[in-house]
Amino acid sequence: QKEVEQDPGPLSVPEGAIVSLNCTYSNSAFQYFMWYRQYSRKGPELLMYTYSSGNKEDGRFTAQVDKSSKYISLFIRDSQPSDSATYLCAFDPYSSASKIIFGSGTRLSIRP
Amino acid sequence: NAGVTQNPKFQVLKTGQSMTLQCAQDMNHNSMYWYRQDPGMGLRLIYYSASEGTTDKGEVPNGYNVSRLNKREFSLRLESAAPSQTSVYFCASSSGGAGETQYFGPGTRLLVL
Repeated sequence: QKEVEQDPGPLSVPEGAIVSLNCTYSNSAFQYFMWYRQYSRKGPELLMYTYSSGNKEDGRFTAQVDKSSKYISLFIRDSQPSDSATYLCAFDPYSSASKIIFGSGTRLSIRP
Repeated sequence: NAGVTQNPKFQVLKTGQSMTLQCAQDMNHNSMYWYRQDPGMGLRLIYYSASEGTTDKGEVPNGYNVSRLNKREFSLRLESAAPSQTSVYFCASSSGGAGETQYFGPGTRLLVL
């Protein structure tokens, strides 16, 4: 079993739709849960991170973590064409080396 | 602040040639990382440096060497390039420790023929 599973997409939705992106993981040691956004031909940038189970909201973005099910989600409300990017989930096992484990990424396209 | 810079942006090599990918950060970060990104594989850690003077292997270190030249600079060397090393290489830095944000450079696209 892979340590992190993420549907690669591509996912195409109309502007204004609610988008749901998901990852599952198998390592119970993961303590920090992150979402990075990567535009085409650019480096990833941190979008959101949470430390515990529950929801965290930032504008149109909501990150949700369910540690009991080992499942994390990112919701995007009122999606915009500028949200078109690849979204990578990422996990930090709280080691001193801070070695983050990344999902393979989901390509998202928002149609105007 | 430039953040994390990488050079070159794009490189074509022939099998067996060597090259060094350069990375520098101006955020006074302790930790630096080299990743490769391949379609369907996500980001895989090649080497990292938790602090100046230390380096450690990541998930896919074979065929690569690194040098933490000083706190700002972390280079990745391919001694004898192979087609399997065709990839996009990203350098990242963070202040270190658990939960700290990693800041990525723009990437180097490498094609090995």
